[in-house]
Amino acid sequence: GQQVMQIPQYQHVQEGEDFTTYCNSSTTLSNIQWYKQRPGGHPVFLIQLVKSGEVKKQKRLTFQFGEAKKNSSLHITATQTTDVGTYFCADRASKIIFGSGTRLSIRP
Amino acid sequence: NAGVMQNPRHLVRRRGQEARLRCSPMKGHSHVYWYRQLPEEGLKFMVYLQKENIIDESGMPKERFSAEFPKEGPSILRIQQVVRGDSAAYFCASSHPGNTEAFFGQGTRLTVV
Repeated sequence: GQQVMQIPQYQHVQEGEDFTTYCNSSTTLSNIQWYKQRPGGHPVFLIQLVKSGEVKKQKRLTFQFGEAKKNSSLHITATQTTDVGTYFCADRASKIIFGSGTRLSIRP
Repeated sequence: NAGVMQNPRHLVRRRGQEARLRCSPMKGHSHVYWYRQLPEEGLKFMVYLQKENIIDESGMPKERFSAEFPKEGPSILRIQQVVRGDSAAYFCASSHPGNTEAFFGQGTRLTVV
């Protein structure tokens, strides 16, 4: 079956450093969505990318969709303690298949 | 405008009992998805339902698990004869038709003792 992998599994950074998580699929992704889950919380939708090569920005967050629609990335510039959580990519077709997630922790 | 409501938030069951998890989607949403999440792990797809129809249940265990989304009332995820391995957080999400964003409930934490 389809697998959506993310790397790294964990990332521990100093506050103010940048952070990037990468999402890769064995098959072509329909649309890519990104969600954030705070510790003890539930997933919250961040953004959806639809087109090959698409780039979207939300303040310090930059999302990219690969040209072949098999990979995506999320980059956070100058992390803050509020960025702590697990970031999931997801293949959004009729159902939603989530990647394995990257857990971000931050040293103040 | 209430979000996705799941209840109960916490559920403790003894081995062999039944667990019923409820999910009321956001107003106007006709699509419901159920996911299981073990501690420190990802979200595993279980089932995708529309009103009165199961669209995709490829992630559901073949035995003991069932789901429904009746014409009236919440979606129900039912686990019969629970075992310790069923302990997990179960999240429900809902969306409009089409490949749109999904809104998640706060989850039900099931503990089997």
